[in-house]
Amino acid sequence: NAGVTQTPKFRILKIGQSMTLQCTQDMNHNYMYWYRQDPGMGLKLIYYSVGAGITDKGEVPNGYNVSRSTTEDFPLRLELAAPSQTSVYFCASSLQGATNEKLFFGSGTQLSVL
Amino acid sequence: AQSVSQHNHHVILSEAASLELGCNYSYGGTVNLFWYVQYPGQHLQLLLKYFSGDPLVKGIKGFEAEFIKSKFSFNLRKPSVQWSDTAEYFCAVTSPRGSARQLTFGSGTQLTVLP
Repeated sequence: NAGVTQTPKFRILKIGQSMTLQCTQDMNHNYMYWYRQDPGMGLKLIYYSVGAGITDKGEVPNGYNVSRSTTEDFPLRLELAAPSQTSVYFCASSLQGATNEKLFFGSGTQLSVL
Repeated sequence: AQSVSQHNHHVILSEAASLELGCNYSYGGTVNLFWYVQYPGQHLQLLLKYFSGDPLVKGIKGFEAEFIKSKFSFNLRKPSVQWSDTAEYFCAVTSPRGSARQLTFGSGTQLTVLP
């Protein structure tokens, strides 16, 4: 049972480049989330999904896009990378929702935009 | 909007010392409360949670937390820390704004336990 798998673990982008952060879970969870963590700050919710085909914005969605074509996958897309997007990104999932039960987190992606 | 404050950014203790990490939140309505922990090189994982009932909750590895509604607090405690408790600890509280499925996280407290 792999849980939540994120790739890549590290990435350096140039300003204006695009990339996709991959997230896969094998627990058949309905809810999936993308958070970012900046130094000295808490985790901020970027986007979340309550099931395949359904996504919604979180607290800091600007500059990002998501899709949820399957229950397992929830990729995060950065279209035009900016230095402000330098952060650690965490994907997470849960069966019933983050407020009702625990979240399962991936190992994180360290992204630097230079 | 909900806000969560963890006033201690970095705590350094010797083994066997007692631990208390503060967590305060702003929204006064019904909330669910969580402590998550990230050990070095590992994923964030749930330490304990409070939804209702006894305000003193016990979690894994000897940790406990007390919910004090009048103080909007959910402090994490452990009577005697070990070197293996070195980690970053995050308090999280349900947000009343928008979807009920959102959590608001504190900025985290880095705990270093010296052997």
